[in-house]
Formats: sequence, C-alpha cells, structure tokens
Amino acid sequence: EDKVVQSPLSLVVHEGDTVTLNCSYEVTNFRSLLWYKQEKKAPTFLFMLTSSGIEKKSGRLSSILDKKELSSILNITATQTGDSAIYLCAVEERTYKYIFGTGTRLKVLA
Amino acid sequence: GAVVSQHPSWVICKSGTSVKIECRSLDFQATTMFWYRQFPKQSLMLMATSNEGSKATYEQGVEKDKFLINHASLTLSTLTVTSAHPEDSSFYICSARPGDEKLFFGSGTQLSVL
Repeated sequence: EDKVVQSPLSLVVHEGDTVTLNCSYEVTNFRSLLWYKQEKKAPTFLFMLTSSGIEKKSGRLSSILDKKELSSILNITATQTGDSAIYLCAVEERTYKYIFGTGTRLKVLA
Repeated sequence: GAVVSQHPSWVICKSGTSVKIECRSLDFQATTMFWYRQFPKQSLMLMATSNEGSKATYEQGVEKDKFLINHASLTLSTLTVTSAHPEDSSFYICSARPGDEKLFFGSGTQLSVL
C-alpha cells in the first residue's frame, strides 16, 4: 500500500531556530513530491520536487528530494512565529492522485 | 496562482439532513477535482476523484451513497453529505489543478452535525 510518512509529528522551537522536517514515501508510481503549509484552512503550496539533488529555495525555506532514499526534507532557517503551521508532504502518483503524509505540526515560540 | 472557491465555509446541521458543498475553479477549467476530508490534527484523506461528465471515483472505504459527488460542468463539483450524522462532522476540502500544474485547494468547509 502506498504511504507517505512525515517526522517529527510535532515540533516546538524558539524564534531564530532552524528546523528540518522529514518526509519519506513508498509510492509505486512516483511523479513528484510537494510540500504545503496549512495554517487554518486551505493548504498553501510551497515546493514541488521532481528531480533528486536539486534544492528548491524560497526565502528562509528550502527543500530537496532524494529519490534513492525515497525521501525529502524541508528546512526552515531563522524561524518566526508566523511559520507556526502544519507542514504537509504529498506525493503525486502517475495517476495524478496525491497521497498526503501525516503532517508535521510546527510551533514557533516568541 | 489559480483560484479554487469552496462554499460554504462552515455549516451546522441537524442529524439526518443533507448538506451540499460546492467547489468552483474560478479562472481555469477542471475536468478533475478532488475531495478530501481532514479530522482534527490529522492529515488530508482523499475521499474521491470527481470527473466532469462521468461518475466519481471513490477511495476504498468511502461510501458513495453517503457522499454524492456531481461534476456537471468544467468549473463546478459538488459534494453532498446525505443523511448526515455526528460522525460525519469534519473539515472537507476540495482541490483542482489547471492542466499539469500542482493542486490548488479551496478554503474548506467545516461541517458540524448536531
């Protein structure tokens, strides 16, 4: 059965800390891996990764995919209270279905 | 980015009634839309794939007679929770994608069944 697992499930840090969120997957027909941030309602898109080893960066956030290890990490440097959210990892299959991971709940304390 | 509109944002209903949730792609056509369900502190669970002009594809364990999906046009899909019960209370969220792009999500509907 296809699955996506994220770790840790939850994390509490202080402002200014750097965090690394993990996502591992077992998906038969991998197409891409995506990271979303969910604060209160709709998840908002962060990154889409299709190739191994190529880092994607947006401000203080960055992400990279390792297709050999079937995993991805999302890094957030110099965290701020506004980074507090649930971070969702999703793997897109070749049938265009998205399988979401368990999510990592991040809380950044002032 | 593309815009997906979902309505209503929240609904409270009595047990036994039916509730309809609408999902619209505002600036693109979507032959396929996806309906997810999210319980508190849990991830998104795919319920069904809505296909324009044909029957929806339901995930294993999702009752098709309970969650009726209609995708009558290229910009509108509806999810009707029939004879709702308290255990159906949840956050329902739809998504769609323009062409080969990533998924864009609606703002979600919080359903509370009394």
